[in-house]
Amino acid sequence: AQSVTQLDSHVSVSEGTPVLLRCNYSSSYSPSLFWYVQHPNKGLQLLLKYTSAATLVKGINGFEAEFKKSETSFHLTKPSAHMSDAAEYFCVVRADSNYQLIWGAGTKLIIKP
Amino acid sequence: DAGVTQSPTHLIKTRGQQVTLRCSPKSGHDTVSWYQQALGQGPQFIFQYYEEEERQRGNFPDRFSGHQFPNYSSELNVNALLLGDSALYLCASSPRLAIYEQYFGPGTRLTVT
Repeated sequence: AQSVTQLDSHVSVSEGTPVLLRCNYSSSYSPSLFWYVQHPNKGLQLLLKYTSAATLVKGINGFEAEFKKSETSFHLTKPSAHMSDAAEYFCVVRADSNYQLIWGAGTKLIIKP
Repeated sequence: DAGVTQSPTHLIKTRGQQVTLRCSPKSGHDTVSWYQQALGQGPQFIFQYYEEEERQRGNFPDRFSGHQFPNYSSELNVNALLLGDSALYLCASSPRLAIYEQYFGPGTRLTVT
């Protein structure tokens, strides 16, 4: 079955240091991939998407993600973390055979002052 | 431009009861998807509505049903509530030509006692 694996349930970084949230996916075809963010007690917001254009995708709030087909990865990065980045991040892949989105279990990003 | 709205915000029900949750999509969007998010987990796809019909369904029992109205708003109905139905229910809307770009509402927190 198709799946998304977020390799870390929690990531803790200091403010001003780089952020790396890791995601691996399975897909039979050229996938569509997304990152969503969920701040505490708020809804989900689309950070960025990959749909077979440039492999380096820029999103909102300074986040980027790089699609690497050979590694089946779509890791999310940010050069310098800000306190407001503390949230839960979800990696998502479009299902190959239907209209569904398949979600990872999420990575909680903790920012230390 | 109003985003996706959901009502009510919170709801407490007793086992065996029935509940109806409501969603108004973002202006210009005609596709509505419903998700269940249990505490500490990623969203699980329930179903998607387009042109007033259920287009796709996730792995949820028939107790979960829905409806889409001509103005594209939608309802999620859950019958014979179980304790395990306690979760955050999220509605997402998307435009016809980009159904995977989903915009989420703040959710309805359902507690079953």
